[in-house]
Amino acid sequence: DGGITQSPKYLFRKEGQNVTLSCEQNLNHDAMYWYRQDPGQGLRLIYYSQIVNDFQKGDIAEGYSVSREKKESFPLTVTSAQKNPTAFYLCASSMSDRASQPQHFGDGTRLSIL
Amino acid sequence: AQKITQTQPGMFVQEKEAVTLDCTYDTSDPSYGLFWYKQPSSGEMIFLIYQGSYDQQNATEGRYSLNFQKARKSANLVISASQLGDSAMYFCAMRLNNAGNMLTFGGGTRLMVKP
Repeated sequence: DGGITQSPKYLFRKEGQNVTLSCEQNLNHDAMYWYRQDPGQGLRLIYYSQIVNDFQKGDIAEGYSVSREKKESFPLTVTSAQKNPTAFYLCASSMSDRASQPQHFGDGTRLSIL
Repeated sequence: AQKITQTQPGMFVQEKEAVTLDCTYDTSDPSYGLFWYKQPSSGEMIFLIYQGSYDQQNATEGRYSLNFQKARKSANLVISASQLGDSAMYFCAMRLNNAGNMLTFGGGTRLMVKP
């Protein structure tokens, strides 16, 4: 089945540690996104990428980094500079950057601090 | 900057009844798209329905319809014949045509369907 796969489902980070969240899609979508969701709140955009080897900062990019070396993959690294990383992280993709195209989401990764 | 407001933090509805979830938006851009997503307790975001700013008719998808009032800048979601499985968080979101891939979300409404 086509879709977006995020791994791991749960992740724990120690103080001062970088962790990487995986996002893979087999929908042949050009655009990919990372969102952060805090409890009881909506989603906020961290980074997005419209094409391979190109990405843009969203509203809350500080303390995060991404890469887009392949069309199918858009990993997110939560660095030690992100002081409050505990949240639910959602990856999404869409066919193009046109407003009519819905974004399709993965099942998310829950990140917690040890 | 664009903004999405969902004023109902939580709502109850009786099974088999209809319910309206409110969403207002703010943008000066004439070209935009409005989306509704459902988020069950498991966390995934499920796309429900889309309305374009230039669409003449209200969007419908099965039991979901969108009451689009452009002059009032509102895009309310109507769920008909509520089912227990409709219990979830519902998010309204907006995307501008000329702003790259920015999708702005509202704070969400938690819908609880009573048997």
